[in-house]
Amino acid sequence: GENVEQHPSTLSVQEGDSAVIKCTYSDSASNYFPWYKQELGKRPQLIIDIRSNVGEKKDQRIAVTLNKTAKHFSLHITETQPEDSAVYFCAAHTGNQFYFGTGTSLTVIP
Amino acid sequence: DTEVTQTPKHLVMGMTNKKSLKCEQHMGHRAMYWYKQKAKKPPELMFVYSYEKLSINESVPSRFSPECPNSSLLNLHLHALQPEDSALYLCASSHPGTNPLHFGNGTRLTVT
Repeated sequence: GENVEQHPSTLSVQEGDSAVIKCTYSDSASNYFPWYKQELGKRPQLIIDIRSNVGEKKDQRIAVTLNKTAKHFSLHITETQPEDSAVYFCAAHTGNQFYFGTGTSLTVIP
Repeated sequence: DTEVTQTPKHLVMGMTNKKSLKCEQHMGHRAMYWYKQKAKKPPELMFVYSYEKLSINESVPSRFSPECPNSSLLNLHLHALQPEDSALYLCASSHPGTNPLHFGNGTRLTVT
């Protein structure tokens, strides 16, 4: 089955700096890669996603890049704000299910 | 607003109790999921229903019994649970295929 690795597990940045979270996957058949943000005590919420026929996607301060050859994808958050503090999960979709990374706890220091 | 509604929000049950978790969505999604999540860990897939039929059971113990009465509803029946089953239980739905999951707010379950 698919194996998704996510790094780092924790990340602290100063407000206004950029944050980068990286994921790798093992199954070349994976073709859809969403990113979820989960605030403490709340549900995971989709923040951005990318499909395998696209290399990069941007939505305001958030961007995702995908390298199919190397089987890795990354989340980039620019101009971080305290409200960006949360746990972020990457995921890969193959077959009929999603495989999640282990999560990154992001803290933005004011 | 949450498009996937889960009830109850919190549940405390003893190891001999029988209870049910409920999930409802009205987005026309034909895939529905149950996930179990421990603190600061990723959601762990339990069951997938596709077009009201069980398509994936991730070797979940029989004390968890899913049910999909129709395309909008998903239940999880609980019986004889163990304290280690205490977790956040998340329901999600999506259009089948490569489409995002929409999660409910979850049921925080405590087994005493």
